[in-house]
Amino acid sequence: GDSVTQMEGPVTLSEEAFLTINCTYTATGYPSLFWYVQYPGEGLQLLLKATKADDKGSNKGFEATYRKETTSFHLEKGSVQVSDSAVYFCALHNAGNMLTFGGGTRLMVKP
Amino acid sequence: EAQVTQNPRYLITVTGKKLTVTCSQNMNHEYMSWYRQDPGLGLRQIYYSMNVEVTDKGDVPEGYKVSRKEKRNFPLILESPSPNQTSLYFCASSPRSFATNEKLFFGSGTQLSVL
Repeated sequence: GDSVTQMEGPVTLSEEAFLTINCTYTATGYPSLFWYVQYPGEGLQLLLKATKADDKGSNKGFEATYRKETTSFHLEKGSVQVSDSAVYFCALHNAGNMLTFGGGTRLMVKP
Repeated sequence: EAQVTQNPRYLITVTGKKLTVTCSQNMNHEYMSWYRQDPGLGLRQIYYSMNVEVTDKGDVPEGYKVSRKEKRNFPLILESPSPNQTSLYFCASSPRSFATNEKLFFGSGTQLSVL
C-alpha cells in the first residue's frame, strides 16, 4: 500500500537558519503530494501541494518540489522564524478517498 | 466563519463507558473523515464519508462507529472504549468527494484519555 516516510524530529534551528524536512513516499501511479502544518493546540492546515511531477508548491516562504525520480517531496524554507515552530506532516493522495500521512516532524525555532 | 467544530476538546473516561465525539461543519462539504494522531505514527484514518448515508472504513476502524444522517454532522462513537484508544482525534472535511486538488479542513482536535 501507499506510505509516506518523514525524517524524525525534533528539528531544532536558530532563527533565520535554512530548513529542510525530508519526505519520501511509496505509491503506485501518480499521487498528489501535500504538506500540512499543525501549530500548537490546533488542527492541521494545508501549507502547500503539488499534483504532478516537477511541480513546485510554495506558500509563506516554504517550498517543496515533486521529484518522481527520487519519490521525494522535501520541504524547504530559506530563513525560519520562531512563528514557524510547529509539527509538519507530509501526505499523499492516490486513487481512492484517503489521504496517507507521514509520522510528522516537529520543528522548534529558537530566537 | 467557515469551520469544523469538534466537541469536547478534552475527555477523560473509563474503560467500557460508551462515548460520542461530535463533529460539525458549516461549509456544506460532502466529504468528512475522522483521524487519530499518535506519536510517531502520524495521522491514521478511522472512517470517512463521501456523503449522507455513505460511510466507509479507513485504516484503523476497529472499535469505532460513525454515522452520517445529516450532511453537516459526522459523530464518532466508541461503544466500549479501551485504553489503546487513548489518542488525539481530528475530524476533517472537504468540499467534494475527495479530489486530488482539494484540501482538508480540520477541527481543533479532541484529546481522549481512556483509563
